[in-house]
Amino acid sequence: DQQVKQNSPSLSVQEGRISILNCDYTNSMFDYFLWYKKYPAEGPTFLISISSIKDKNEDGRFTVFLNKSAKHLSLHIVPSQPGDSAVYFCAASGLVSNYQLIWGAGTKLIIKP
Amino acid sequence: DGGITQSPKYLFRKEGQNVTLSCEQNLNHDAMYWYRQDPGQGLRLIYYSQIVNDFQKGDIAEGYSVSREKKESFPLTVTSAQKNPTAFYLCASSIRVQLSGANVLTFGAGSRLTVL
Repeated sequence: DQQVKQNSPSLSVQEGRISILNCDYTNSMFDYFLWYKKYPAEGPTFLISISSIKDKNEDGRFTVFLNKSAKHLSLHIVPSQPGDSAVYFCAASGLVSNYQLIWGAGTKLIIKP
Repeated sequence: DGGITQSPKYLFRKEGQNVTLSCEQNLNHDAMYWYRQDPGQGLRLIYYSQIVNDFQKGDIAEGYSVSREKKESFPLTVTSAQKNPTAFYLCASSIRVQLSGANVLTFGAGSRLTVL
């Protein structure tokens, strides 16, 4: 049973426009949500996180929004740049997962020039 | 530069053979993790260790073994009992398993194991 779902396997966005990556979760007991970025043949790198007590966190071009009632979070990248082309993973953690990260399947973002 | 080193990057194994993947970190992190990634799936936790000489099974520990004799090292052995070992293996570390706050992991570059 997938507790964290990324329903879009891929997303294509024009350079300079906004990229919106979505993530849904099923367990309302998660405390933290994280986004990681992964290039091919490399390990994931941490991008941004949000606590379940907040609804928005911003870091430069990256903003994560959390809608707890819908059990949904999204990552906004503005403006999108060619170097943003990568696979983006959403992950969640909390006491319910023994503080281990539960990962979504990832969304491949392609930024078109 | 501090980081996590995984070796080898690519490894081929015949069926029935055990193979050990190396993971070394110089970040002075207490916690270390092994994940497996398969195409179209998220990362799945194999084992993790919060402290030297202690480790816990993750969601898919069957067919794998680990040791944590040194803080810096957390090798993973893929045994012949692992029925489908071909995958991309990722080692990670964190300062500790966070009981509050986001548990931010630092990852190595990964090891791709192919069973022939």
